[in-house]
Amino acid sequence: QVQLVESGGGVVQPGRSLRLSCAASGFTFDYFPLHWVRQAPGKGLEWVALISSEGNNEYHADSVKGRFTISRDNSKNTLYLQMNSLRPEDTAVYYCAREGARLGIDAFDIWGQGTMVTVAS
Amino acid sequence: DIQMTQSPSSLSASVGDRVTITCRASQTITNYLNWYQQKPGKAPKLLIFAASSLHSGVPSRFSGSGSGTHFTLTISSLQPEDFATYYCQQTYTTLTFGGGTKVEF
Repeated sequence: QVQLVESGGGVVQPGRSLRLSCAASGFTFDYFPLHWVRQAPGKGLEWVALISSEGNNEYHADSVKGRFTISRDNSKNTLYLQMNSLRPEDTAVYYCAREGARLGIDAFDIWGQGTMVTVAS
Repeated sequence: DIQMTQSPSSLSASVGDRVTITCRASQTITNYLNWYQQKPGKAPKLLIFAASSLHSGVPSRFSGSGSGTHFTLTISSLQPEDFATYYCQQTYTTLTFGGGTKVEF
C-alpha cells in the first residue's frame, strides 16, 4: 500500500526547534520529489518546501527560508523537516506529499495524514 | 509569486446540482494547474492535474478546463460525498494554492 506517515508534531515554545519525519512505504522512494505543505487552523494550504528525488536540490517558501530545512534519507525511505526558531504563526498541520512527476503527474498524488505543530508559550 | 484567486469562496448547493468553481492566476501558467478536494480533518486528495486530466480513481463527474490564467472545476451532478473544500494549485513556478472554495449544503 502506497502511503506516507508523518510524525514528530507537538507543542513547542516560540524560538525552539522541532523535527518532523515522514515515513514512506509501498513505492520506490528515491524516484519521487517530495514536499511539505502546511495548513493553519481554519485556513488554506501553504506550500513549505520541496526536495528533489536524489536530495541534491531543495527549495523553501520565503516564509520559512533560513529557519526550516527539508532533507531526506533515501536509505531509510524517510523525509524530514527541521524547524528552527519557531513562531506562533508556524502553528499548523504539516503534511508531506509526493510529487508524481515520475508518473507524468505534475501534482501531489499521495499525501500523508498530517501532524499538528503548535507553537505557544 | 503567482497569486491564485478562487471564486466563490463558498457556495451552497444540493445533490444533483451542477457546480462550477473558478480559479484565476495572476499571470499565465499555461496548463500547470491542479485541483484538490479536502474534507474536514483529512488530507487533500488530487482530483485533476494539468488543468484537465482526471486522476486515477476520481469519478467522471469531476472535470477541469482552462489554460493561461482562467481555469474551472466542474462537478456535473453533485453527490453527498462531494461536500468539501476544493483548492486549485499552480506548479508553473514557486508553488501556490488558491484560497479554497467550500461546497456546502
